[in-house]
This record gives sequence, C-alpha cells and structure tokens, in this order.
Amino acid sequence: QQQVKQSPQSLIVQKGGISIINCAYENTAFDYFPWYQQFPGKGPALLIAIRPDVSEKKEGRFTISFNKSAKQFSLHIMDSQPGDSATYFCAAPLNTNAGKSTFGDGTTLTVKP
Amino acid sequence: NAGVTQTPKFRILKIGQSMTLQCTQDMNHNYMYWYRQDPGMGLKLIYYSVGAGITDKGEVPNGYNVSRSTTEDFPLRLELAAPSQTSVYFCASSYRGTSGRAWGQETQYFGPGTRLLVL
Repeated sequence: QQQVKQSPQSLIVQKGGISIINCAYENTAFDYFPWYQQFPGKGPALLIAIRPDVSEKKEGRFTISFNKSAKQFSLHIMDSQPGDSATYFCAAPLNTNAGKSTFGDGTTLTVKP
Repeated sequence: NAGVTQTPKFRILKIGQSMTLQCTQDMNHNYMYWYRQDPGMGLKLIYYSVGAGITDKGEVPNGYNVSRSTTEDFPLRLELAAPSQTSVYFCASSYRGTSGRAWGQETQYFGPGTRLLVL
C-alpha cells in the first residue's frame, strides 16, 4: 500500500515555463514533506522540504505548496530551465523510530530549450 | 566529506552468482538504508539499519542480506543472483540524535548508485 502518490509520471515543459508536480499522502501523522531531485546516473538529493504548519516554502525558483485539508503537497518550479530536467520524488516519514521514509514513484521532468 | 560512496558503479552477474555491494559513509550517520530503483517504480527499501549490529527488513528483502559491523559500512549481499535483481541499487544514510527526533532528521543522503545487470 503506497502511502504517497505522485503525479504526473512525466512532464514536458518549455524553458521559462512553470513545472508543477503533485503528491498526495494518506497518513495525517506525517510531519515532514520533502522533495528529492535525481539527475540521470546520480542518487537522489534533497531539494526542499516543508513542515505541515506552513502553507508554502520558497527556495529560489522552487516552491512547495502544502494543503493539509486535501492531504496534498506540490512542487512548483518557476522559470524552468533545461538544467532542471531530472526525476523528482516526493517522500514522507514512514516510521519515525527507524527514520524510514516512503517515496513516490517519481516524475520525470524534461525542460525543452 | 565524501558523503556516501558505493562500489562498484556497474556490474554484470551471471544467474546464480553472488556478490557484495559496498556502501560507506563518512558523516557519522547512525541510520543506513539500501534501496533498489527499477524504471518508473520509484525507490523500494530492501534493508535498513539503525546502528552497528542492528538491521531489519524493508519492503523487498528476499534474495538479499546485510550486515552492519561498523557505523561507516553497510554492505548488501546478493546470493544466487536472479534476473529479477537487475536494478540500480542505492545506499543512503541519515542521522538521529540521542535526544530524540528533530524535524527533518528523516532527510536521507544517497550514494551515486550501483547498476547491476543479471544475465
């Protein structure tokens, strides 16, 4: 049973456009909502994370929007660049005692020049 | 700091062969994890460890074994390799302080991965 569901599976955006990736979660006890970025041939790396008492967090061109009532959080990439082309994963803590997280299936973003 | 390192980067195995994927971290993290990543399937947890000498199964442990004799190292052993184990394997680590959980401590730091092909 997947505890975070990510959409879309793939996304193609023109340079300068806005990329939006969504993640729905089930467990209302989650309190840490990260997005990881993975470039081809590399391991995932933390991009940005939000806590549930905040509705939005912005770091440069990357913004997380959090909707607690809908149990969703989204990644927005403003002014998307070809260098943003990567796979993005949402995640949530699965078992805080063991530090385990559950990951979404990933969204492959392609930004066309 | 080198972070999390994995060896080898790529390996071809024949069915029935065995091998060990190496993982080392130099961040003094107490928690370590092994994942496999299949195309379009995200990350599946194989095994994890909360400290030296302590390991536990994840979602997909069958066909694998781990050990954790030191804080730094967390090798993954494949016995009797099968084509279904063709995948990219990632090792990751995180830190949990002794005074309890702090927000964001679930952040995981990943290695560069090992690509395994079983033929």
